[in-house]
Amino acid sequence: NAGVTQTPKFQVLKTGQSMTLQCAQDMNHNSMYWYRQDPGMGLRLIYYSASEGTTDKGEVPNGYNVSRLNKREFSLRLESAAPSQTSVYFCASSEETGGYNEQFFGPGTRLTVL
Amino acid sequence: DQQVKQNSPSLSVQEGRISILNCDYTNSMFDYFLWYKKYPAEGPTFLISISSIKDKNEDGRFTVFLNKSAKHLSLHIVPSQPGDSAVYFCAASASSGGSNYKLTFGKGTLLTVNP
Repeated sequence: NAGVTQTPKFQVLKTGQSMTLQCAQDMNHNSMYWYRQDPGMGLRLIYYSASEGTTDKGEVPNGYNVSRLNKREFSLRLESAAPSQTSVYFCASSEETGGYNEQFFGPGTRLTVL
Repeated sequence: DQQVKQNSPSLSVQEGRISILNCDYTNSMFDYFLWYKKYPAEGPTFLISISSIKDKNEDGRFTVFLNKSAKHLSLHIVPSQPGDSAVYFCAASASSGGSNYKLTFGKGTLLTVNP
């Protein structure tokens, strides 16, 4: 039982390049989330997926797209990376949406955009 | 507009003493509160939570207190251990108002427990 896994762990991009961050969970959770964490900041929600087949914007969705590929997998895509997207990205999952549902986090992807 | 505030970026305590981490919120719709703990190079892990119908929840060495009238909650760790050294995030959610999917996080407090 690996919980929430993320790939890659580290990535360096040049401005304008694209990439996809992968996330998978093996807990049979319905809901999945993408957050970013910047120095001195809390976690901010980028996108979430309440259930398979649905996705919705969070607080800071600009510059990102997501795909809920199936119940297990939720990917985050940067189409044209910008230095402002340098951050640590965390994927999380929970049984359902609703703050009373504990969210389980992956180990994070540290992204640097030059 | 920061709805969840952790005003102390860092806290240092001696092993065996009490650690008290504080959190204030402004949104009166929040009715569920959580604390997450984060070690370097790892994702946050859930620690303890409290519903707004309670004023205290205890789990081993960890106790969370909620003062709704003051919109304030605190996490007490007794006794503190070096392994508790981590960043602690306060988070809040509202079960109504159309945003029940969302956790709003504070900026975190770095706790250092000295041996």
